Amino acid sequence: KQEVTQIPAALSVPEGENLVLNCSFTDSAIYNLQWFRQDPGKGLTSLLLIQSSQREQTSGRLNASLDKSSGRSTLYIAASQPGDSATYLCAVRSDSGYALNFGKGTSLLVTP
Amino acid sequence: ETGVTQSPTHLIKTRGQQVTLRCSSQSGHNTVSWYQQALGQGPQFIFQYYREEENGRGNFPPRFSGLQFPNYSSELNVNALELDDSALYLCASSYDGYEQYFGPGTRLTVT
Repeated sequence: KQEVTQIPAALSVPEGENLVLNCSFTDSAIYNLQWFRQDPGKGLTSLLLIQSSQREQTSGRLNASLDKSSGRSTLYIAASQPGDSATYLCAVRSDSGYALNFGKGTSLLVTP
Repeated sequence: ETGVTQSPTHLIKTRGQQVTLRCSSQSGHNTVSWYQQALGQGPQFIFQYYREEENGRGNFPPRFSGLQFPNYSSELNVNALELDDSALYLCASSYDGYEQYFGPGTRLTVT
């Protein structure tokens, strides 16, 4: 069974800092990995999707990397802004199924 | 392009009752998945429908059931509600199960 862990559980940084969110997974036989953003009580917004054959994806100030062999992904946020405050979720789809397996998320607070 | 929509937004039910939640998939998508998210947890996969057939199911009892319609919209039905069913229910659509796009969710409270 695929287990997904996100570290840290919570993070508070001042505006302007660059930061890294970590995601690890136990089974390297993955199909793809998605990073999502969730605002309190809301649905999930897809940020980046990395296919198993890719090493990284970039969108604006966001960069996600994937190291399948070590079971790790990182989400890098450059020049953080208060509007980045949200919970960030990592989700892995395994080769053997259709479900996304989620971590518990990292709650990010960016202070002005 | 219309995104994934869900109804209702909020719902309060009593233990033992039945509930139906609805989801309209994004235009061009043929696959719908449902997830349950308890407070402070990541979403848990309930099941997935592809072209009106269930093709994947998570660790949820049979009282959780669903349907997908020819227009690829979907329903999640939960019978015999329990207090632990209180959660945010999320619907996601995709084309052939690729990148999943989520709706805003339905907040279910069971009292």
